[in-house]
Amino acid sequence: DTGVSQDPRHKITKRGQNVTFRCDPISEHNRLYWYRQTLGQGPEFLTYFQNEAQLEKSRLLSDRFSAERPKGSFSTLEIQRTEQGDSAMYLCASSLGEVAGTNTEAFFGQGTRLTVV
Amino acid sequence: AQSVTQLGSHVSVSEGALVLLRCNYSSSVPPYLFWYVQYPNQGLQLLLKYTSAATLVKGINGFEAEFKKSETSFHLTKPSAHMSDAAEYFCAVSDRRASKIIFGSGTRLSIRP
Repeated sequence: DTGVSQDPRHKITKRGQNVTFRCDPISEHNRLYWYRQTLGQGPEFLTYFQNEAQLEKSRLLSDRFSAERPKGSFSTLEIQRTEQGDSAMYLCASSLGEVAGTNTEAFFGQGTRLTVV
Repeated sequence: AQSVTQLGSHVSVSEGALVLLRCNYSSSVPPYLFWYVQYPNQGLQLLLKYTSAATLVKGINGFEAEFKKSETSFHLTKPSAHMSDAAEYFCAVSDRRASKIIFGSGTRLSIRP
């Protein structure tokens, strides 16, 4: 297994443009999570899916943000009308069931670094 | 709401010295607790987790952490630091549904030769 894959790794965009990121979880992992990490801070939870259902969204996820996982496999995170404050590393993780099970854990991708200029 | 507080944004130790990274949690219910490590340009990797079995949890790379309910702490230790331990370390907590993980702000560990 190649682990959690995120694309692109880096994205530079102009303020006001829309961007979309993709996350491919580990195959058969039913849970998928999105986090945002700014410099010097820990990852902040944005949202998570169980299969194709989006079960929880953080208040950090403004109306400009939308995430989908249409077939319960890969997921996309779209940011509309980007702002400079959206510049961050966007992390994706996946797990098979709950993250604190005896034999389960959340595996993280390397992230997509977004820079809004 | 659950949260964790990591004391010290930067810790520096000499190679071979004890590593101690501090974490205190806040939770109204018994939590699940985690330590993750992030090396430069790499994803987060799980070091260890506490899920209410043994209070002393052993992880990878010689790290361990002890859950102390009376102190609401989950400090990470390693007896002897190695240069390869230099990284960012995150303490994290999850609720009993284990639905999502809430991270602390991180501690950057530097190792002096």
